[in-house]
Amino acid sequence: KNEVEQSPQNLTAQEGEFITINCSYSVGISALHWLQQHPGGGIVSLFMLSSGKKKHGRLIATINIQEKHSSLHITASHPRDSAVYICAGPHSGGGADGLTFGKGTHLIIQP
Amino acid sequence: NAGVTQTPKFQVLKTGQSMTLQCAQDMNHEYMSWYRQDPGMGLRLIHYSVGAGITDQGEVPNGYNVSRSTTEDFPLRLLSAAPSQTSVYFCASSYPASGAHTGELFFGEGSRLTVL
Repeated sequence: KNEVEQSPQNLTAQEGEFITINCSYSVGISALHWLQQHPGGGIVSLFMLSSGKKKHGRLIATINIQEKHSSLHITASHPRDSAVYICAGPHSGGGADGLTFGKGTHLIIQP
Repeated sequence: NAGVTQTPKFQVLKTGQSMTLQCAQDMNHEYMSWYRQDPGMGLRLIHYSVGAGITDQGEVPNGYNVSRSTTEDFPLRLLSAAPSQTSVYFCASSYPASGAHTGELFFGEGSRLTVL
């Protein structure tokens, strides 16, 4: 079973700061997901990546398959980025099943 | 497209009652799965399906049943509700990541269940 660890658990920063959230996993995987959950509960997919780097607006996700590590970066952070960010990988690593999740990083961006 | 639709959004049960959480998607996704979210535990996989007629257990399957008779629907049944099943439940669907499909996950809005 894949074990997914995230750090930090909680992060408070000032508007405009560069944010990094880290994710490591125990089993070689086909792809890793980054998700966002706002207060009120809805979960939105941000990225799915299997290699290298992806960028969407101010969000950048990177993955190093050999080191079993991924990072999510937020540039020029804004209070609306305040949310819980969750990484997830295949439950058994192969991809043809459900997901195992990290416990999430609770991010607060202060104006 | 409605995406992933979960019903009900809220439910209160008494211990021992049974109920079904409904999940439907209109994107023709092969993969569907159920998760529960508890404070301090994060999201945990209950059951998943890789296509109609195929289901399998996840991390915390006890007390829950699923079936997948159609591509669109993946209901989660609580057989005899217990207070430990008080949680928020999420259904998700996706294509497998290959060729034209990104593997992006789509989640329902969640169902908050309280068992007294």
